[in-house]
Amino acid sequence: EAGVAQSPRYKIIEKRQSVAFWCNPISGHATLYWYQQILGQGPKLLIQFQNNGVVDDSQLPKDRFSAERLKGVDSTLKIQPAKLEDSAVYLCASSLWGYNEQFFGPGTRLTVL
Amino acid sequence: KQEVTQIPAALSVPEGENLVLNCSFTDSAIYNLQWFRQDPGKGLTSLLLIQSSQREQTSGRLNASLDKSSGRSTLYIAASQPGDSATYLCAVFVNQAGTALIFGKGTTLSVSS
Repeated sequence: EAGVAQSPRYKIIEKRQSVAFWCNPISGHATLYWYQQILGQGPKLLIQFQNNGVVDDSQLPKDRFSAERLKGVDSTLKIQPAKLEDSAVYLCASSLWGYNEQFFGPGTRLTVL
Repeated sequence: KQEVTQIPAALSVPEGENLVLNCSFTDSAIYNLQWFRQDPGKGLTSLLLIQSSQREQTSGRLNASLDKSSGRSTLYIAASQPGDSATYLCAVFVNQAGTALIFGKGTTLSVSS
């Protein structure tokens, strides 16, 4: 069974530039999550999707971050404009539904200069 | 607000030792608890999921226990090996609108040969 796929793996940008990350969850998984992990910290939820719909985006900085999950499968997370403090690893995870075991992708390491 | 704490932050042991990693959470109204392993520069690998109705879960040399009433979980690793060196993260599912995980900062384990 294929795992959660993410791309790119690494990205370096200047502050105020924009960037986009892509995630393909495990086939059949209805729930998709984007987490942000700052060095030395545990991951923190940015947004949760259930199929096409947003379940929780309370911690997403909506003035600069946006995310979508078209057709209930792939998802993209965008940052525009990026700030220095956005430097982190962005992790995508999926689960069959709700409280089931979550499976994580390899992450995208973003460096903002 | 749910907070997850992991002690110790770092641990070094010689190969072959049995060891225990600790996780505590402030709100006992959790749904499930999940333990992960994270290797440097990599995503999270799920180790064990304990449902709130369970007291423990085992996988190979790993055994995780859950005591909801005291807000604690432990991860027991038997006969440690150098390949076990990684950061171990504990996360809880909380009973809120979303089903995202709330993570601790992790325990970084180093097993020397």
